[in-house]
Parts: sequence; C-alpha cells; structure tokens
Amino acid sequence: DQQVKQNSPSLSVQEGRISILNCDYTNSMFDYFLWYKKYPAEGPTFLISISSIKDKNEDGRFTVFLNKSAKHLSLHIVPSQPGDSAVYFCAASALGTGGGADGLTFGKGTHLIIQP
Amino acid sequence: DAGITQSPRHKVTETGTPVTLRCHQTENHRYMYWYRQDPGHGLRLIHYSYGVKDTDKGEVSDGYSVSRSKTEDFLLTLESATSSQTSVYFCAIPRYQGRTGELFFGEGSRLTVL
Repeated sequence: DQQVKQNSPSLSVQEGRISILNCDYTNSMFDYFLWYKKYPAEGPTFLISISSIKDKNEDGRFTVFLNKSAKHLSLHIVPSQPGDSAVYFCAASALGTGGGADGLTFGKGTHLIIQP
Repeated sequence: DAGITQSPRHKVTETGTPVTLRCHQTENHRYMYWYRQDPGHGLRLIHYSYGVKDTDKGEVSDGYSVSRSKTEDFLLTLESATSSQTSVYFCAIPRYQGRTGELFFGEGSRLTVL
C-alpha cells in the first residue's frame, strides 16, 4: 500500500511560470513532510519541509502548502527556472507521533521539465 | 554540510555473486539508512541502523543484510545478487544531530546484476 503518492510522473512548465507539484498521503500519523530534488547521477537533496502544525512554509522561490484534512501537500516554484528541471520527491515522516517506521517514506517522484 | 562517502560508485556483477556496498560518514551520527531507487518506485528503505550493532529492517529488506561494527561505517550486503537488485543505492544520515526527519544522502552506488 503506497502511503505517499505523486500521481503525476512528469510535468512540463514554461520558464518564468509557476510550477505546482502535488503529493497525497494516506497515513494520518505522518507529522512532517519534505520535498527533495534530484538531478541525474546525484543523490537527492533536501529542498523544503513543513511540520503538520503549519499550513504553509516559504523559502525563496519555493513554497510548500499542507492541507491536513485532505491529506494533500503541494510544492510551488515561482518563477520556474531551467535549473529547476529535475525529479522532485515528496517524503513524509511519523517520528513525532511514533506512528511509523524510522526513516522517510517517499513518493515515486515527479519529473519537472522547464521549457525555455 | 554532512559528509557521506559511498563505495563503490559503480559496480557490475553477475547473478549469484555476493556484493557489499559501503557507506562511510564523518559526522558521528547514530542513525544511518540504506535506500534503493528504481524507476516508478521512488526511494524505498532497505535497512537502517540506530547505533553500532543495532539495525532494523525497512520496507524492502528481503535479500539484503547490513552490518554496523563502528559508528562511521554501514555496510549493505547482497549475499547472492539477483537481477531484481539492479538499482541505485543511496546511503543517508540525518541532516542534523539527533533523530530527525531530514536526511542527507550520499551520491549513490549504481549496481548492475547481469
């Protein structure tokens, strides 16, 4: 059973526009959510996170929104730049609630392509 | 930033042979993790360690064993490699001291089993 779902395998956005990546989760014990970015032949790198006590967290061009009632989070990138082309993974943790295994549970990823 | 070194970075082996991947950290973290990444599956946890000689299974542990004889090294062993274990393997440690949700990943070890 997939606990973290990214239903869009790929997304193409024009440079300068907004990119919106979506993620859904099923485990109500998750209390911390993260986005990772991954370039080919490199390890995933941490991008931004949000605690379940918040509904928004912003860091420069990146904003993550959390809707707990819908068990949904999204990552907004504004404006999108060519260097943003990468695979984005949504991840979740239940460390605070003790409701899940250690480590992070990842979605399958969304390949974001920024068109010039 | 945290320091992780994975070795080897690339390996090609044949079905049935044993393979050991090494993760070395310089941050003295208690927690270390092994993930595999496959197309269409994202990253999945194989095993993790919460201290020397303390390890536990993750989501996809079948066919893998791990050992942690010292804080800085976490070894992942495939006793008898199969083609389904062709993957990219990532080691990770917490981004900060303590047990947190944020993980820092190594550069990966690409394993091909023929």
